[in-house]
Amino acid sequence: GAGVSQSPSNKVTEKGKDVELRCDPISGHTALYWYRQSLGQGLEFLIYFQGNSAPDKSGLPSDRFSAERTGGSVSTLTIQRTQQEDSAVYLCASSQYSEQFFGPGTRLTVL
Amino acid sequence: AQSVTQPDIHITVSEGASLELRCNYSYGATPYLFWYVQSPGQGLQLLLKYFSGDTLVQGIKGFEAEFKRSQSSFNLRKPSVHWSDAAEYFCAVGSGGGADGLTFGKGTHLIIQP
Repeated sequence: GAGVSQSPSNKVTEKGKDVELRCDPISGHTALYWYRQSLGQGLEFLIYFQGNSAPDKSGLPSDRFSAERTGGSVSTLTIQRTQQEDSAVYLCASSQYSEQFFGPGTRLTVL
Repeated sequence: AQSVTQPDIHITVSEGASLELRCNYSYGATPYLFWYVQSPGQGLQLLLKYFSGDTLVQGIKGFEAEFKRSQSSFNLRKPSVHWSDAAEYFCAVGSGGGADGLTFGKGTHLIIQP
């Protein structure tokens, strides 16, 4: 079946604007993860959903970052008042058991 | 807190030669260990994983890795590399049977010389 999809693939925004990044997991996968990949920090875990609840939000870097998941499927990562240091590739992954399947990512550039 | 160290930022190997990528982890309990590969412009693909049992695990594309608890290591190996193996390789550790968020190393960039 289809893999994890993310949209948009690229997003350019101005500092101070809000952005929403979307993730469509593999159908039937109950767990969903957000990661951030940047040159300076490597791959960082942000947040994890089991169903619609988020038992682990420990990786969210600030209160400007939030995420939700509805219907146990699609998830949205929202970054408010974007800063230049938010520029990175945001990766989403989903899993049913132990293997996480990653999407292609959204490249966010904050000018 | 768990952590992963990949000591080599870049490695250059001749095509056909053997490969070993190093990974050391820090984790308080039994670790769940993973190796992922990321080719340019591509997403992360799982090469192999270790949860328990046989400490030598086989993965896709001819890769294998050996878990050594005494050395806190999970090194990735391949007997003969191909030009298509050029990519970024990430070692990761997780808990909860791999159901929790993963902690990744900084990655090793593999260059293949003709």
